[in-house]
Amino acid sequence: SYDLNQPPSVSVTPGEPASITCRENIIGRKTVHWYQHRPGHAPVLVISYDSDRPSGIPERFSGSNSGNTATLTISRVEAGDEADYYCQVWDLDSDHWVFGGGTKLTVL
Amino acid sequence: EVRLVESGGGLVQPGGSLRLSCEASGFSFGAHWMTWVRQTPRKGLEWVANINQYGSEKYYVDSVKGRFTISRDDAKNLVFLQMNSLSAEDSGLYFCARVEFCSSGNCYSEAFDYWGLGTQVTVSS
Repeated sequence: SYDLNQPPSVSVTPGEPASITCRENIIGRKTVHWYQHRPGHAPVLVISYDSDRPSGIPERFSGSNSGNTATLTISRVEAGDEADYYCQVWDLDSDHWVFGGGTKLTVL
Repeated sequence: EVRLVESGGGLVQPGGSLRLSCEASGFSFGAHWMTWVRQTPRKGLEWVANINQYGSEKYYVDSVKGRFTISRDDAKNLVFLQMNSLSAEDSGLYFCARVEFCSSGNCYSEAFDYWGLGTQVTVSS
């Protein structure tokens, strides 16, 4: 099976940048999407197709994908960014849509 | 405004069944693939099932194959998840989501661009 590995948690102070990684063999050859999920809210697509920002998502959010690592970066973290973040790909070999284990972003 | 509202969750005994519904509004429902995703404490978000815009292609995560069935009613803008032989491992918050439109019709790499708030499923005796 195709497993996407994310760090369980990332902590950052307000105004500082935060990076969340999603690692798997040759993930750079796949299309990666990123979702933000705050408890009690619907998940929100924050980055699609590796680095595209959907309408309404702040410019502070960006994404990249190369080699074995995809990365979600929040340039200047705000308190409202505190949430769980998930990467997601479609695995051609299994015809399965796969999520990473999720990273809890804590704003100190 | 795109809106997705899930319903049908609840408490069910192991081995029991539930049918989840998702009512969609604010977009051309018949043009989109739809998906069910669940959130569990153990796995976080887990993709469960997808259905194409015609209802002719259905995909399932291995752990639910043969037990769950995804379907849709385009006349009523509804997507369903019939869940049978439920076990404790199926407990979680079940989300319905829209798959981004793709002109080719083969929407494998597209993102899940709108989500509902979810409906809770608890399997316990």
